[in-house]
Amino acid sequence: GAVVSQHPSWVICKSGTSVKIECRSLDFQATTMFWYRQFPKQSLMLMATSNEGSKATYEQGVEKDKFLINHASLTLSTLTVTSAHPEDSSFYICSAPTLGGNEQFFGPGTRLTVL
Amino acid sequence: AQSVTQLGSHVSVSEGALVLLRCNYSSSVPPYLFWYVQYPNQGLQLLLKYTSAATLVKGINGFEAEFKKSETSFHLTKPSAHMSDAAEYFCAVSETSGAQKLVFGQGTRLTINP
Repeated sequence: GAVVSQHPSWVICKSGTSVKIECRSLDFQATTMFWYRQFPKQSLMLMATSNEGSKATYEQGVEKDKFLINHASLTLSTLTVTSAHPEDSSFYICSAPTLGGNEQFFGPGTRLTVL
Repeated sequence: AQSVTQLGSHVSVSEGALVLLRCNYSSSVPPYLFWYVQYPNQGLQLLLKYTSAATLVKGINGFEAEFKKSETSFHLTKPSAHMSDAAEYFCAVSETSGAQKLVFGQGTRLTINP
């Protein structure tokens, strides 16, 4: 089956710094990738849709300037949390559908802790 | 807009007992429905999906779900629970296909008692 990886799997950073999270489709190409955020013991909330070669589409209430998304190639999307603060601490999960498919494949997630 | 409601944030069953996790959806268009499982600190794994074909959908690990339009439900069941089934389960809905953005329910934590 299709595999999606994320890097890093966990990261701890100081408040005010920026953190980049990578999402890669390892054995398929993905023109679209999705970024979700999950707080402890809660559901996944879609943050944005990453589109290869164009701007990301953000969900209502998500700050575009804080959560920068770049879909540089058909296998890589990055999420950069800029000027991170403790309230940004969360589990970030990406997913990608295969081209022409009707199923999303999820990465293992990245746990971000901002001190 | 679409939405999903999972009844019961926590379900506990004995090993070997029936598992029933409830999911109700709201959608203005024929929905695509999914059940995912999440183990601690991991991403989501697809258990099964309904894409307007058979209303009774069989998935992995012995799980199945039945789409009932009249009840706007898509409950997940497994005849006999196994200890390895302990995890968080999410029901999700999509408007067009599973390749589009998903709206998730709140999740149900399944605990299996020995």
